[in-house]
Amino acid sequence: DGGITQSPKYLFRKEGQNVTLSCEQNLNHDAMYWYRQDPGQGLRLIYYSQIVNDFQKGDIAEGYSVSREKKESFPLTVTSAQKNPTAFYLCASSMDSFYYEQYFGPGTRLTVT
Amino acid sequence: AQRVTQPEKLLSVFKGAPVELKCNYSYSGSPELFWYVQYSRQRLQLLLRHISRESIKGFTADLNKGETSFHLKKPFAQEEDSAMYYCALRSQGGKLIFGQGTELSVKP
Repeated sequence: DGGITQSPKYLFRKEGQNVTLSCEQNLNHDAMYWYRQDPGQGLRLIYYSQIVNDFQKGDIAEGYSVSREKKESFPLTVTSAQKNPTAFYLCASSMDSFYYEQYFGPGTRLTVT
Repeated sequence: AQRVTQPEKLLSVFKGAPVELKCNYSYSGSPELFWYVQYSRQRLQLLLRHISRESIKGFTADLNKGETSFHLKKPFAQEEDSAMYYCALRSQGGKLIFGQGTELSVKP
């Protein structure tokens, strides 16, 4: 535990508004990831970044955007284009993508009404 | 296509009974597989990975390439094992592909 923080724990927004979810890690990990967790669907990858200033789309990137300007930070913006934004969002990090395990943050539950 | 399937959404057993959580995968190449666990109000965390060949909290999982399976087993379930379990496959691009998850409920 520890090392990866996500804030806030709960977030409420009105439909049509963009919202940014924070993810910070102090584990000196190169790789960071954003997942969306929905009941019965497991975790689905939104975006990932293997190194600073670089990121790639995951399986469900539409309606989301990210930046990776610092090694420690990988914020996720849920835009108004995301059709079903209400979900539990998990951030993770790992030393690299190809060998090491991923460590997960506590998650942010976003509710859009 | 790369895919992980966990056929059971919910598995309910009594304390002391054996438990097996099923995981099947589809992958061309040599797979790397993991089991992650999420206890109530806790973070998702790694339980075990097949390359380590460890037993963690009494759980084991054997990779069966012939049946493309990586089932998680424990001979005697405990109440504290109640949690959500996810099987995951590391893809060629380094990403993790997760199954839908199985909720394990161990009754006293």
